Amino acid sequence: KAGVTQTPRYLIKTRGQQVTLSCSPISGHRSVSWYQQTPGQGLQFLFEYFSETQRNKGNFPGRFSGRQFSNSRSEMNVSTLELGDSALYLCASSLWTGDTDTQYFGPGTRLTVL
Amino acid sequence: DAKTTQPNSMESNEEEPVHLPCNHSTISGTDYIHWYRQLPSQGPEYVIHGLTSNVNNRMASLAIAEDRKSSTLILHRATLRDAAVYYCILRGGATNKLIFGTGTLLAVQP
Repeated sequence: KAGVTQTPRYLIKTRGQQVTLSCSPISGHRSVSWYQQTPGQGLQFLFEYFSETQRNKGNFPGRFSGRQFSNSRSEMNVSTLELGDSALYLCASSLWTGDTDTQYFGPGTRLTVL
Repeated sequence: DAKTTQPNSMESNEEEPVHLPCNHSTISGTDYIHWYRQLPSQGPEYVIHGLTSNVNNRMASLAIAEDRKSSTLILHRATLRDAAVYYCILRGGATNKLIFGTGTLLAVQP
């Protein structure tokens, strides 16, 4: 099976712009989660989508939003970009088996805000 | 969310066993113990998980204390490719989010 794919891999934006990142989960996986990784804050959970519904949300401002399509592909959007939004954005898809699951991460999108 | 405590860094020699400890004194009865690792310039990678009993897979073994307040990830023969940050994470209930701590940076010397 193909792994989780994320596009684009690298992105440079300027402050005030908005950006959309895309994630294609592993075939058959219905849950997609997004994480932000920065040197200062480490890996932080942004949100999770399951069957096109947001099931969980982390502590991020409303400028960060996402959605999931019927084919389980997901996008996240960041509006009014700030310098502090520069980070590696990781997407993970998962499949529940019993009472827990395993998450499979993509390679990430490296966003630089100038 | 229950928290975990791990050493910031550890060192190992190639082809020797590595024991990575994790303390989770506030674990609840339904929390699973998951381990992920992140190699340089890559997304995190699942390693192993367990609930109460020790677990083995092709990558590693997970030893869980009887009171479940601590666990140890065991890499039986470290290779250079095992150099990574290892995260111990508790997961319970219906939530799907992973709460990452700072993890343990494992250095493997040839």
